[in-house]
Amino acid sequence: SQQGEEDPQALSIQEGENATMNCSYKTSINNLQWYRQNSGRGLVHLILIRSNEREKHSGRLRVTLDTSKKSSSLLITASRAADTASYFCATDGQGAQKLVFGQGTRLTINP
Amino acid sequence: GAVVSQHPSWVICKSGTSVKIECRSLDFQATTMFWYRQFPKQSLMLMATSNEGSKATYEQGVEKDKFLINHASLTLSTLTVTSAHPEDSSFYICSARDPRRGSYEQYFGPGTRLTVT
Repeated sequence: SQQGEEDPQALSIQEGENATMNCSYKTSINNLQWYRQNSGRGLVHLILIRSNEREKHSGRLRVTLDTSKKSSSLLITASRAADTASYFCATDGQGAQKLVFGQGTRLTINP
Repeated sequence: GAVVSQHPSWVICKSGTSVKIECRSLDFQATTMFWYRQFPKQSLMLMATSNEGSKATYEQGVEKDKFLINHASLTLSTLTVTSAHPEDSSFYICSARDPRRGSYEQYFGPGTRLTVT
Protein backbone atom coordinates (compact mmCIF):
# COMPACT_ATOMS: atom_id res chain seq x y z
CA SER A 1 0.00 0.00 0.00
CA GLN A 2 1.11 3.53 -0.55
CA GLN A 3 2.66 5.02 2.51
CA GLY A 4 3.38 8.53 1.36
CA GLU A 5 1.02 11.30 0.51
CA GLU A 6 2.36 14.20 -1.45
CA ASP A 7 1.14 17.71 -1.66
CA PRO A 8 0.42 19.33 -4.00
CA GLN A 9 -0.42 16.77 -6.67
CA ALA A 10 0.46 19.31 -9.33
CA LEU A 11 2.42 22.54 -9.23
CA SER A 12 3.00 25.06 -11.99
CA ILE A 13 5.39 27.98 -11.49
CA GLN A 14 7.46 30.42 -13.49
CA GLU A 15 11.08 29.80 -14.24
CA GLY A 16 13.29 31.27 -11.55
CA GLU A 17 10.76 30.80 -8.76
CA ASN A 18 11.16 28.31 -5.95
CA ALA A 19 9.14 25.10 -5.84
CA THR A 20 8.17 23.37 -2.62
CA MET A 21 6.72 19.89 -2.42
CA ASN A 22 5.61 18.11 0.70
CA CYS A 23 5.43 14.46 1.65
CA SER A 24 3.83 12.73 4.60
CA TYR A 25 4.26 9.14 5.66
CA LYS A 26 2.72 6.81 8.19
CA THR A 27 5.26 4.52 9.82
CA SER A 28 8.73 4.73 11.30
CA ILE A 29 11.53 5.05 8.77
CA ASN A 30 15.26 4.63 8.43
CA ASN A 31 15.46 7.30 5.81
CA LEU A 32 13.44 9.19 3.25
CA GLN A 33 14.45 9.67 -0.34
CA TRP A 34 13.35 11.92 -3.14
CA TYR A 35 13.33 10.86 -6.77
CA ARG A 36 12.60 12.64 -10.03
CA GLN A 37 10.89 11.10 -13.03
CA ASN A 38 10.78 12.71 -16.42
CA SER A 39 7.77 11.75 -18.49
CA GLY A 40 7.91 8.14 -19.64
CA ARG A 41 11.30 7.51 -18.09
CA GLY A 42 12.81 5.80 -15.10
CA LEU A 43 13.47 7.44 -11.78
CA VAL A 44 16.56 9.35 -10.82
CA HIS A 45 17.66 9.54 -7.22
CA LEU A 46 17.95 13.11 -5.96
CA ILE A 47 18.69 13.05 -2.28
CA LEU A 48 18.44 10.87 0.81
CA ILE A 49 17.89 12.15 4.32
CA ARG A 50 18.32 9.89 7.31
CA SER A 51 15.87 9.72 10.17
CA ASN A 52 18.33 11.45 12.51
CA GLU A 53 18.83 14.36 10.12
CA ARG A 54 16.60 17.42 9.94
CA GLU A 55 17.85 19.17 6.83
CA LYS A 56 20.04 18.38 3.87
CA HIS A 57 21.23 20.32 0.86
CA SER A 58 22.38 19.28 -2.57
CA GLY A 59 22.93 22.02 -5.12
CA ARG A 60 19.59 23.77 -5.63
CA LEU A 61 17.78 21.16 -3.57
CA ARG A 62 16.93 21.45 0.08
CA VAL A 63 15.19 18.67 1.95
CA THR A 64 13.79 18.81 5.44
CA LEU A 65 12.54 15.99 7.59
CA ASP A 66 10.29 16.20 10.64
CA THR A 67 9.96 12.74 12.12
CA SER A 68 7.59 13.96 14.84
CA LYS A 69 5.14 15.02 12.15
CA LYS A 70 6.15 12.24 9.77
CA SER A 71 6.67 14.72 6.99
CA SER A 72 9.32 15.96 4.61
CA SER A 73 9.62 18.77 2.13
CA LEU A 74 11.66 19.24 -1.01
CA LEU A 75 12.56 22.76 -2.06
CA ILE A 76 13.96 23.47 -5.50
CA THR A 77 15.38 26.96 -5.69
CA ALA A 78 15.75 29.08 -8.82
CA SER A 79 13.74 26.63 -10.89
CA ARG A 80 14.59 25.90 -14.52
CA ALA A 81 12.53 24.53 -17.37
CA ALA A 82 14.55 21.32 -17.12
CA ASP A 83 13.19 20.77 -13.63
CA THR A 84 9.81 19.96 -15.16
CA ALA A 85 9.13 16.40 -14.00
CA SER A 86 7.29 14.36 -11.41
CA TYR A 87 8.84 14.18 -7.98
CA PHE A 88 8.31 11.31 -5.59
CA CYS A 89 9.23 10.76 -2.00
CA ALA A 90 10.00 7.22 -0.92
CA THR A 91 10.46 5.63 2.46
CA ASP A 92 11.72 2.29 3.65
CA GLY A 93 10.53 0.77 6.88
CA GLN A 94 13.14 -0.02 9.46
CA GLY A 95 15.03 -3.08 8.34
CA ALA A 96 13.22 -3.30 5.03
CA GLN A 97 14.98 -3.00 1.70
CA LYS A 98 11.95 -2.09 -0.35
CA LEU A 99 10.76 1.43 -0.95
CA VAL A 100 7.25 2.73 -0.70
CA PHE A 101 6.53 5.70 -2.90
CA GLY A 102 4.28 8.66 -2.38
CA GLN A 103 1.72 9.73 -4.94
CA GLY A 104 4.08 12.25 -6.49
CA THR A 105 3.96 15.90 -7.43
CA ARG A 106 3.89 16.89 -11.09
CA LEU A 107 5.97 20.01 -11.39
CA THR A 108 5.78 22.25 -14.44
CA ILE A 109 8.21 25.11 -14.88
CA ASN A 110 6.94 27.71 -17.34
CA PRO A 111 9.60 29.62 -19.29
CA GLY B 1 28.47 3.77 -12.02
CA ALA B 2 25.33 1.98 -10.83
CA VAL B 3 23.56 1.76 -14.17
CA VAL B 4 20.47 -0.36 -14.66
CA SER B 5 19.12 -1.19 -18.09
CA GLN B 6 15.85 -2.67 -19.26
CA HIS B 7 14.92 -4.42 -22.43
CA PRO B 8 12.78 -3.87 -24.36
CA SER B 9 11.93 -0.22 -23.84
CA TRP B 10 8.50 -0.83 -25.28
CA VAL B 11 6.56 -3.84 -26.47
CA ILE B 12 3.18 -4.48 -28.01
CA CYS B 13 1.70 -7.93 -27.68
CA LYS B 14 -1.59 -9.63 -28.39
CA SER B 15 -3.95 -10.64 -25.65
CA GLY B 16 -3.20 -14.14 -24.40
CA THR B 17 0.48 -14.13 -25.25
CA SER B 18 3.40 -13.83 -22.86
CA VAL B 19 6.09 -11.20 -22.82
CA LYS B 20 9.43 -11.14 -21.05
CA ILE B 21 11.12 -8.00 -19.73
CA GLU B 22 14.78 -8.01 -18.76
CA CYS B 23 16.45 -5.93 -16.09
CA ARG B 24 20.24 -5.80 -15.94
CA SER B 25 22.68 -4.16 -13.61
CA LEU B 26 25.48 -3.13 -15.94
CA ASP B 27 28.35 -2.25 -13.66
CA PHE B 28 27.52 -3.85 -10.36
CA GLN B 29 26.16 -7.07 -8.95
CA ALA B 30 22.71 -6.88 -7.49
CA THR B 31 21.56 -9.65 -5.18
CA THR B 32 18.19 -7.95 -4.97
CA MET B 33 16.16 -6.24 -7.65
CA PHE B 34 12.70 -4.75 -7.48
CA TRP B 35 9.87 -4.70 -9.99
CA TYR B 36 7.31 -1.90 -10.09
CA ARG B 37 4.40 -1.05 -12.30
CA GLN B 38 3.13 2.42 -12.94
CA PHE B 39 -0.14 3.49 -14.51
CA PRO B 40 -0.39 6.86 -16.26
CA LYS B 41 -0.07 9.81 -13.90
CA GLN B 42 0.15 7.52 -10.92
CA SER B 43 2.87 6.46 -8.56
CA LEU B 44 5.00 3.35 -8.60
CA MET B 45 3.54 0.24 -7.06
CA LEU B 46 5.98 -2.41 -5.93
CA MET B 47 5.09 -5.76 -7.44
CA ALA B 48 7.83 -8.00 -6.14
CA THR B 49 11.33 -8.24 -4.78
CA SER B 50 13.59 -10.42 -6.87
CA ASN B 51 16.29 -12.32 -5.01
CA GLU B 52 19.21 -13.94 -6.81
CA GLY B 53 19.09 -17.71 -6.52
CA SER B 54 15.80 -17.87 -4.66
CA LYS B 55 12.11 -17.26 -5.14
CA ALA B 56 10.80 -13.77 -5.53
CA THR B 57 8.75 -12.14 -2.81
CA TYR B 58 5.48 -10.81 -4.16
CA GLU B 59 3.45 -7.97 -2.75
CA GLN B 60 -0.07 -8.58 -1.63
CA GLY B 61 -2.47 -8.74 -4.53
CA VAL B 62 0.15 -9.53 -7.16
CA GLU B 63 -0.41 -12.87 -8.86
CA LYS B 64 2.85 -14.77 -8.82
CA ASP B 65 1.68 -17.21 -11.49
CA LYS B 66 0.89 -14.34 -13.82
CA PHE B 67 4.00 -12.29 -13.21
CA LEU B 68 6.88 -14.73 -13.24
CA ILE B 69 10.16 -13.44 -11.90
CA ASN B 70 13.49 -15.12 -12.40
CA HIS B 71 16.74 -13.79 -10.95
CA ALA B 72 19.20 -16.32 -12.31
CA SER B 73 22.36 -14.26 -12.01
CA LEU B 74 23.71 -11.34 -10.04
CA THR B 75 23.17 -9.00 -12.96
CA LEU B 76 19.91 -10.15 -14.52
CA SER B 77 16.32 -10.39 -13.40
CA THR B 78 13.44 -11.09 -15.75
CA LEU B 79 9.73 -10.43 -15.44
CA THR B 80 7.42 -12.49 -17.63
CA VAL B 81 3.84 -11.38 -17.98
CA THR B 82 1.96 -14.53 -18.84
CA SER B 83 -1.34 -14.66 -20.71
CA ALA B 84 -1.33 -10.91 -21.00
CA HIS B 85 -4.59 -8.99 -21.04
CA PRO B 86 -5.26 -5.35 -21.94
CA GLU B 87 -5.46 -4.46 -18.23
CA ASP B 88 -1.80 -5.52 -17.92
CA SER B 89 -0.85 -2.61 -20.15
CA SER B 90 1.36 -0.45 -18.02
CA PHE B 91 4.83 0.94 -17.49
CA TYR B 92 7.07 -1.62 -15.80
CA ILE B 93 10.19 -0.39 -14.02
CA CYS B 94 12.92 -2.32 -12.27
CA SER B 95 15.46 -1.12 -9.77
CA ALA B 96 18.41 -2.43 -7.83
CA ARG B 97 20.55 -1.44 -4.93
CA ASP B 98 24.31 -1.36 -5.29
CA PRO B 99 25.73 -3.19 -2.27
CA ARG B 100 29.12 -1.54 -2.78
CA ARG B 101 27.70 1.84 -1.88
CA GLY B 102 26.29 0.80 1.44
CA SER B 103 23.39 3.17 0.99
CA TYR B 104 19.68 2.79 0.66
CA GLU B 105 19.18 4.48 -2.66
CA GLN B 106 17.92 2.44 -5.57
CA TYR B 107 18.98 2.72 -9.18
CA PHE B 108 16.18 2.50 -11.67
CA GLY B 109 16.01 1.20 -15.18
CA PRO B 110 14.44 3.37 -17.89
CA GLY B 111 11.24 1.36 -17.85
CA THR B 112 9.35 -0.82 -20.31
CA ARG B 113 6.04 0.26 -21.72
CA LEU B 114 3.80 -2.74 -22.33
CA THR B 115 0.72 -2.45 -24.50
CA VAL B 116 -1.55 -5.44 -24.79
CA THR B 117 -3.99 -5.35 -27.71
